[in-house]
Amino acid sequence: AQTVTQSQPEMSVQEAETVTLSCTYDTSESDYYLFWYKQPPSRQMILVIRQEAYKQQNATENRFSVNFQKAAKSFSLKISDSQLGDAAMYFCAYSGRREKLTFGTGTRLTIIP
Amino acid sequence: DAGITQSPRHKVTETGTPVTLRCHQTENHRYMYWYRQDPGHGLRLIHYSYGVKDTDKGEVSDGYSVSRSKTEDFLLTLESATSSQTSVYFCAISEEGVGGYTFGSGTRLTVV
Repeated sequence: AQTVTQSQPEMSVQEAETVTLSCTYDTSESDYYLFWYKQPPSRQMILVIRQEAYKQQNATENRFSVNFQKAAKSFSLKISDSQLGDAAMYFCAYSGRREKLTFGTGTRLTIIP
Repeated sequence: DAGITQSPRHKVTETGTPVTLRCHQTENHRYMYWYRQDPGHGLRLIHYSYGVKDTDKGEVSDGYSVSRSKTEDFLLTLESATSSQTSVYFCAISEEGVGGYTFGSGTRLTVV
C-alpha cells in the first residue's frame, strides 16, 4: 500500500521569506501523480500544485514550486515570497493506478508578519 | 466547489442513530470518494466508487456503507453513529487517468 509522510506538523516563516515543506512517499508503482493541497480555515481543499511522475521537470505555479526526487521518493513544496494568505494546512497526496488519493498528515504553516 | 456539492454542511446527531451524507456532482465523473478528516491523521479514505453500483472499501470503512445508484450521487451512511465518527467528511470526484480531483466543501458531523 502507498504511504505518504509529512514529518513537519508545524512550520512558520516570516512574511516575504521562503519556506519548504517536506513530503516523502512509498510506492512500487512507476506511474503516478503527486499533489500539494492547501486547506485554509474555511476547510476548502485547494489544489496548489500537481506533479506527474513521468515528467522529470519540477512543476511550478507562480510562487509555488516543487522539488521532485523520484528515486528518493521525495516531493517537497517551496513557497517563495510568503504572504499572509498562505497560512493554512498543507497536505501532500499521492495517486496511482487505483485512482485513489492517499494523504499525508499535514503541515500547519504560520506566516509571521 | 463548482460541480460538486455536499449536504448537509453541518449535522449533530445522537449516538446510535443512522446518518446519511449526500454528495452530488454535475461533472459526470466516473470516480467518487468519501474521506474523513481528523486531527493528526490527514484525510483518510472511507469508501470510493468507480461507477454506478460499483464501490469498494477504503482504509477506514468499518461502520460506514455507501451507495451509488446514479452517476451524480454518492451517499455515505453511518449505520449506527458513534462518537468516534465525529469528524469532517469530504466528498471528492475525479476523471479516470487525468490526475485531477475536486473536493466538496465538507460536512462537519458531531455525534453526541
